[in-house]
Amino acid sequence: AQTVTQSQPEMSVQEAETVTLSCTYDTSESDYYLFWYKQPPSRQMILVIRQEAYKQQNATENRFSVNFQKAAKSFSLKISDSQLGDAAMYFCAYRKGDMRFGAGTRLTVKP
Amino acid sequence: DAGVIQSPRHEVTEMGQEVTLRCKPISGHNSLFWYRQTMMRGLELLIYFNNNVPIDDSGMPEDRFSAKMPNASFSTLKIQPSEPRDSAVYFCASSLWAPTFYNEQFFGPGTRLTVL
Repeated sequence: AQTVTQSQPEMSVQEAETVTLSCTYDTSESDYYLFWYKQPPSRQMILVIRQEAYKQQNATENRFSVNFQKAAKSFSLKISDSQLGDAAMYFCAYRKGDMRFGAGTRLTVKP
Repeated sequence: DAGVIQSPRHEVTEMGQEVTLRCKPISGHNSLFWYRQTMMRGLELLIYFNNNVPIDDSGMPEDRFSAKMPNASFSTLKIQPSEPRDSAVYFCASSLWAPTFYNEQFFGPGTRLTVL
């Protein structure tokens, strides 16, 4: 079974600074999708960014970018110019058929 | 689009009672997922459907849990009888699916279930 590991239960960043959240996964598949979701206190799960495994180029969405290392099975999320509204739980997810989520990283943004 | 709709948003019930959670996926989506989220276990996939057919229910904790998808626009998750350890937030999510296409999932707002 595929597993997703987020080794950082909590992270903290100063407003306007950059932070990187780590994610590794285990799979024997070559074609799959990876996602980062954000869950603010409202509980709503919000898609932040997605990456198709067959694409070598790292995905970018405004201040959010990923470092996808397929051979290393690593998929980290970089948040640049952090804002107070970025404070949330962040979940890394792997999809091939169903979807598997990591345990999450709680990000705190300090003003 | 209204997004994924779940009802009720909050449910408080007593142990032993039947609980039914409802979900309306985004129109046009053909894949539907039920998740349970707790502090201890995180986000767990319970079951998912493709084209109204259950594909994998290995995450369903026990026979007290059942899920149905009678048509493309409606699904239920039922717990009978409910127990205090079933207290959690239950999410429904939907997405577009094809054999080689794994799109992102869109989540509903969740149902917070409390079993006393």
